[in-house]
Amino acid sequence: EDQVTQSPEALRLQEGESSSLNCSYTVSGLRGLFWYRQDPGKGPEFLFTLYSAGEEKEKERLKATLTKKESFLHITAPKPEDSATYLCAVRGSSGDKLTFGTGTRLAVRP
Amino acid sequence: DAGVIQSPRHEVTEMGQEVTLRCKPISGHDYLFWYRQTMMRGLELLIYFNNNVPIDDSGMPEDRFSAKMPNASFSTLKIQPSEPRDSAVYFCASSAPQGGQFFGPGTRLTVL
Repeated sequence: EDQVTQSPEALRLQEGESSSLNCSYTVSGLRGLFWYRQDPGKGPEFLFTLYSAGEEKEKERLKATLTKKESFLHITAPKPEDSATYLCAVRGSSGDKLTFGTGTRLAVRP
Repeated sequence: DAGVIQSPRHEVTEMGQEVTLRCKPISGHDYLFWYRQTMMRGLELLIYFNNNVPIDDSGMPEDRFSAKMPNASFSTLKIQPSEPRDSAVYFCASSAPQGGQFFGPGTRLTVL
């Protein structure tokens, strides 16, 4: 069974204070690792897909990286508008469904 | 594109009543997923369809839950009879093959 563990559960940063969120996974035949952002009262918003170890993707202040066991979401010089819950999910060889972690709640103080 | 559309956005009902949630996926997406999100259990997959055919319904909690996809542009999730423990936010998502899933705004269900 595919498993995803995210850490920390919650993170408070000062504006401009860079940090990383961790997503550890166990999957049979990785067919994609996905990062989402979720704001309160809204659906998850797709950010990135990573397919193989060593792959990196960037969007504004966010950069996602992937190894064979985990993924990191690096946030550089965050702003208050980056405050949200960040979800990680994997798709394995068993089908087309995603297995989600429980997320990291990020709060960025001005 | 308008994205994934869900209705209603909020639903308040009494225990024992039937509830129907609706979803319109993004045009051209072959996959449709129904999720439930609660504080305790996070985001749980209930069922998903490929080309309007149910592929995996192992996440459907019990027989009170049913889902249909009569055509490529419409799906329903029905709960009959509803119970207070069904209170949650229900999301619909759609995707192209191998692509990321795009989520709708969700339906917040409260069963009294």
